[in-house]
Amino acid sequence: GAVVSQHPSWVICKSGTSVKIECRSLDFQATTMFWYRQFPKQSLMLMATSNEGSKATYEQGVEKDKFLINHASLTLSTLTVTSAHPEDSSFYICSAIPGLAPKSGANVLTFGAGSRLTVL
Amino acid sequence: GDSVTQMEGPVTLSEEACLTINCTYTATGYPSLFWYVQYPGEGLQLLLKATKADDKGSNKGFEATYRKETTSFHLEKGSVQVSDSAVYFCALSGQNSGNTPLVFGKGTRLSVIA
Repeated sequence: GAVVSQHPSWVICKSGTSVKIECRSLDFQATTMFWYRQFPKQSLMLMATSNEGSKATYEQGVEKDKFLINHASLTLSTLTVTSAHPEDSSFYICSAIPGLAPKSGANVLTFGAGSRLTVL
Repeated sequence: GDSVTQMEGPVTLSEEACLTINCTYTATGYPSLFWYVQYPGEGLQLLLKATKADDKGSNKGFEATYRKETTSFHLEKGSVQVSDSAVYFCALSGQNSGNTPLVFGKGTRLSVIA
């Protein structure tokens, strides 16, 4: 089946540094990928929609200059947390839709295993 | 906007007990409804889905019925196993959603003990 790989699975960094997280679709092409953030005991919160070859679409309240998204190819999207601070510590998850979405509107997203960021 | 409310956990059950995790939603039109499962250290996996009213989704002994009159999509399993221990997320996507991503509930952690 479709597989989405995220790297790194966990990272610890110092406050003020930048961290890049990669999201790859391993056996399918994804023109659109989604980036979520998950706080402890909370649900996933959609941060942005990553579109191949164009600018990402950010959800309200998400700082585009802090969370840089680059969708350079049909199999790779990256999220860079710039000048990270402890409040950016979270679990970041990406997802993508393999193939064409059915006309019924039922999306079947494939999720990566997530990347846990800890900012000291 | 659209939202999903599911029962808070954690839920702890003995093996072979019955499971129900409640989920209700608020949405305009006719959303599609989903249950995702997240096993420890893994990404979310689609467990089952239903795309229209009265549809029943089922997989691995789990099932949920799309009830439009009560705006609910409760997850049920007649006999849980230790391997079912995970976090379960109820989610919806709007009609005509195309590539629109899902709205998730907060998740319910299930622990099954032998």
